[in-house]
Amino acid sequence: AQSVAQPEDQVNVAEGNPLTVKCTYSVSGNPYLFWYVQYPNRGLQFLLKYITGDNLVKGSYGFEAEFNKSQTSFHLKKPSALVSDSALYFCAVREITGNQFYFGTGTSLTVIP
Amino acid sequence: DGGITQSPKYLFRKEGQNVTLSCEQNLNHDAMYWYRQDPGQGLRLIYYSQIVNDFQKGDIAEGYSVSREKKESFPLTVTSAQKNPTAFYLCASSPGAHRGYNEQFFGPGTRLTVL
Repeated sequence: AQSVAQPEDQVNVAEGNPLTVKCTYSVSGNPYLFWYVQYPNRGLQFLLKYITGDNLVKGSYGFEAEFNKSQTSFHLKKPSALVSDSALYFCAVREITGNQFYFGTGTSLTVIP
Repeated sequence: DGGITQSPKYLFRKEGQNVTLSCEQNLNHDAMYWYRQDPGQGLRLIYYSQIVNDFQKGDIAEGYSVSREKKESFPLTVTSAQKNPTAFYLCASSPGAHRGYNEQFFGPGTRLTVL
C-alpha cells in the first residue's frame, strides 16, 4: 500500500535561513512524488514533482526537493526562507497505475521575521 | 487554482439536509477527485472518477454521493447520513495516468458548516 509521512506538524525558521520540510514514503515500485503548498482557505498549489532522472528537482518560488531512494525520502528545501513562504505544505505520492494520489498530513511552516 | 472552479465558497447546512457542492474544470482532464480536509488530518479521499460515467469510492465515502455525467463536472452531494460534515472540501483534477505522471490541479475549496 502507498503511504506518505510528514513527521513534523510544525516547522519554524528565521527569515533568510534555509528551510527543510521532511517527507518519507512507502510505495510498491517506483515512486512518483509531489509537493504542494496551501495558503489559508485556499486550494493546494503544485510546487514540484519527481518522476525519474535527477534526484534534485527544482520547482516554483525557489523551492527544490531531493529524492533519496535508499532513505525513501523526498524532503522539500529552500536556501533562504521568506516570510511569504509561511503556509501548509503537503507531500503526495501517486500510484504507478491508476489515478489515485496519497497525501501526508501536512506540515505548517512559519517563517519568523 | 486555475481551470477548476468550486461553488459555493461557503455553504451552511441544517442537520438533516442534503447539499450539493459543485466542481467544474475546463482543463480537459479525465480524472477528478473530491477530498475532505480537517485540521491536522491532511486530505482524505472521498470519491474519484477516472472517466465519464464511472467513479470509485475513496477512504471516507460513507454519507457522500457523486455523479460524473460530463467530463467537465463532478458534483458532490453531502447527504444527511454524513454525521459530521463540517469541513473544507477540495475538488481536484488530473490528466489521467495514461497521459503521463502529472500532478493534480486543485479548486479553491468549499467550506461547509452544519448549523
